[in-house]
Amino acid sequence: GQQLNQSPQSMFIQEGEDVSMNCTSSSIFNTWLWYKQDPGEGPVLLIALYKAGELTSNGRLTAQFGITRKDSFLNISASIPSDVGIYFCAGRNYGGSQGNLIFGKGTKLSVKP
Amino acid sequence: AAGVIQSPRHLIKEKRETATLKCYPIPRHDTVYWYQQGPGQDPQFLISFYEKMQSDKGSIPDRFSAQQFSDYHSELNMSSLELGDSALYFCASSPGETGELFFGEGSRLTVL
Repeated sequence: GQQLNQSPQSMFIQEGEDVSMNCTSSSIFNTWLWYKQDPGEGPVLLIALYKAGELTSNGRLTAQFGITRKDSFLNISASIPSDVGIYFCAGRNYGGSQGNLIFGKGTKLSVKP
Repeated sequence: AAGVIQSPRHLIKEKRETATLKCYPIPRHDTVYWYQQGPGQDPQFLISFYEKMQSDKGSIPDRFSAQQFSDYHSELNMSSLELGDSALYFCASSPGETGELFFGEGSRLTVL
């Protein structure tokens, strides 16, 4: 089945630094979604991308839908302690039986004050 | 704003018992999804419903079944529970099959 390669697996950064993570796939997706998950909680939607090349911001977060439709990245600027958590990319391809989301393995972000 | 409501939040069962998880989607969302997340894992898609009909099926064991009711809430029924079924179970809803998915807080199932 489809798989997403998300990297890096984990990051340990200083408060105030910028963060970048990305996802790649061998398949084309129609939608890319980025989620943040805190321990024991449900994933919270951060940004949704629907068009190839689309660049969308949400506060300090910026995400882009790759032009090939096979990749996406998420940037976090000026990280703060509450950015700690696991970030998941998720791709979706409509049509047939592929309407559900496929998740990456996650990027665990740790922020040192 | 109303979110996806899941119950119970925590559930402890013994092997071979049955369990039922409930999900109440965001109002006016007609599509419901169930995901299973093991410790340190990404969410794995189990099954989804659109307008009360099953729309997609993922890695859901035959021991599990689910349905969506006329009020759009959904229930996941799990029978003959195994130790490996211990996980967080998330429900998500979306407005239509192509809308953004919003997740509930999850139900933590522990099988002893």
